[in-house]
Amino acid sequence: QVQLVESGGGVVQPGGSLRLSCAASGFTFSNFAMHWVRQAPGRGLEWVTFLHVDGRTQFYADSVMGRFTISRDNSKNTLYLQMHSLREEDTALYFCARETSPTTPFDSWGQGALVTVSS
Amino acid sequence: QSALTQPASVSGSPGQSITISCVGTSSVVGNYHTVSWYQQHPGKAPKVIIYEINKRPSGVSNRFSGSTSGNTASLTISGLQAEDEADYHCCAHGGSRLHWVFGGGTKVTVL
Repeated sequence: QVQLVESGGGVVQPGGSLRLSCAASGFTFSNFAMHWVRQAPGRGLEWVTFLHVDGRTQFYADSVMGRFTISRDNSKNTLYLQMHSLREEDTALYFCARETSPTTPFDSWGQGALVTVSS
Repeated sequence: QSALTQPASVSGSPGQSITISCVGTSSVVGNYHTVSWYQQHPGKAPKVIIYEINKRPSGVSNRFSGSTSGNTASLTISGLQAEDEADYHCCAHGGSRLHWVFGGGTKVTVL
């Protein structure tokens, strides 16, 4: 079955960097667009970024534009989120999610990777 | 102000029907055909229960239904059960600037 497993979370100081990974299995990863969605403690969901199957078309939320970069390695069935200049407000559980179609953006989710930005 | 507004909480007794509203600003109203709903139990990942306004993925109970009217999308849970106690999030495409937008989430309590 479809499985998405995030890793790479941890505690980082403000201004620091972190890279999250999302290992995909149970489906042909290269055929699907992917997203990162985050959830701050006790808060709702916030869409973060999108990457098309072409590996080039990317969109970002204004809150992370210029600081975060999404990428994928289809040979490793892995999605990445490189985060720089982290702020305390980036503290959240980060989920990767698979897109089935442009109108069904998040049909499968991982369990999330916790990122804590604190001094 | 979020582009999608949900009530913070809704409650009901077992067997009752409840409806969760999701009110959109003008930037998302035009994309209501993209509305989806997600159920999230504590400590778990979200799970899609409604997509494209009113379609249910395979395996999702037909007690869940979706609709839209004007600038409001709605999720109705009929025959409320204890297992329905969870957070529910609406989502829609907000156009080329906002991209995907979530509501703030609604906590459903089964009394």
